[in-house]
Amino acid sequence: DVKVTQSSRYLVKRTGEKVFLECVQDMDHENMFWYRQDPGLGLRLIYFSYDVKMKEKGDIPEGYSVSREKKERFSLILESASTNQTSMYLCASSLSRVIAQPQHFGDGTRLSIL
Amino acid sequence: LAKTTQPISMDSYEGQEVNITCSHNNIATNDYITWYQQFPSQGPRFIIQGYKTKVTNEVASLFIPADRKSSTLSLPRVSLSDTAVYYCLVGVPGTYKYIFGTGTRLKVLA
Repeated sequence: DVKVTQSSRYLVKRTGEKVFLECVQDMDHENMFWYRQDPGLGLRLIYFSYDVKMKEKGDIPEGYSVSREKKERFSLILESASTNQTSMYLCASSLSRVIAQPQHFGDGTRLSIL
Repeated sequence: LAKTTQPISMDSYEGQEVNITCSHNNIATNDYITWYQQFPSQGPRFIIQGYKTKVTNEVASLFIPADRKSSTLSLPRVSLSDTAVYYCLVGVPGTYKYIFGTGTRLKVLA
């Protein structure tokens, strides 16, 4: 089974801090994704990556950046955290852009910005 | 991007078959239809995926008519543990080109 591991289940940070959310997958997947999930809005894509050192903006990239130095690890960075970034953050991975394989998700990080 | 429409919520009783229909009028030729299940405080979990006709696995069945403008997820004999949010997605899996909507909140009652 594919395992996607997010480093923290719960995280509390202060406004203005630089925040790192880490995600690791163990199945050599090419694609990795970061979403945020808010009540009434579903999941919204922040960034995704289809290869090491490659990244693409999703629907709501403002205020975020990402890093993918190794294939198995995809980091989401909040450059200067703000209260409107309080949310559930979900990381996902999928095998390839070429093959029609679904995404596998981690269990999320519930981030609170005070 | 193909937009999907599904009911906001549904109630059912244990042991019943549940059918959740999703509308996707703008589905493209290369798009697949994928369903996910999400429990509280967990990430979505893949249930089933199909392109046309019928797909069945150990968890569910997916019915897709010839025009592919809608699809129906069928959960046979639901139990309390099937209470969750179910998302219908249309797009090319593995790419970013599909959208999670707000899903259907299924509540299974004893």
